Amino acid sequence: DSGVTQTPKHLITATGQRVTLRCSPRSGDLSVYWYQQSLDQGLQFLIQYYNGEERAKGNILERFSAQQFPDLHSELNLSSLELGDSALYFCASSVGPPASPVFFGPGTRLTVL
Amino acid sequence: AQSVTQLGSHVSVSEGALVLLRCNYSSSVPPYLFWYVQYPNQGLQLLLKYTTGATLVKGINGFEAEFKKSETSFHLTKPSAHMSDAAEYFCAVSGDNTDKLIFGTGTRLQVFP
Repeated sequence: DSGVTQTPKHLITATGQRVTLRCSPRSGDLSVYWYQQSLDQGLQFLIQYYNGEERAKGNILERFSAQQFPDLHSELNLSSLELGDSALYFCASSVGPPASPVFFGPGTRLTVL
Repeated sequence: AQSVTQLGSHVSVSEGALVLLRCNYSSSVPPYLFWYVQYPNQGLQLLLKYTTGATLVKGINGFEAEFKKSETSFHLTKPSAHMSDAAEYFCAVSGDNTDKLIFGTGTRLQVFP
């Protein structure tokens, strides 16, 4: 158990819908990261927040957005869902850069039908 | 820009044999290098990391890796494979002061009795 929690564990929805994935970082960690894992794209970095502020952006679609709240939990919002958005979404956390180890949550498996 | 190349998407070894998983990186800044393991239907677990200092890094479960700057490599080894080592292994690089990880495509390790 990494100490990073993610809810829900599984999510099944339809195309065009909007979902919210939630993440609680390890106690004391200020950085939160979101990653997408799919068979065709592999593990892709989406976005990072550090102490409530966006710190780095990766291959995140415009239909996706995220935020980190004052209590440091984070949410990833996915809208206008397409079949290709079906993937495993991981949240990870770290104390903060530089060079701190990053710990991953168990993931949310999103299936878009 | 940073990238990681993992040679061999599948590696098969016999129980008790040497495990060698290859990773080469590209980085325009001094790299921080990581190996993660993913068991089926689970998140990623940190095996070991290199930031600075000693180039031979020891991790959990008997794994180690050596940072070779001249070869831009960070290969993962274990002297004697165990059945429980069967999993997918990911090499990752960071180092741009955000701690976002850029992952390789992964290597699936199979261990035969």
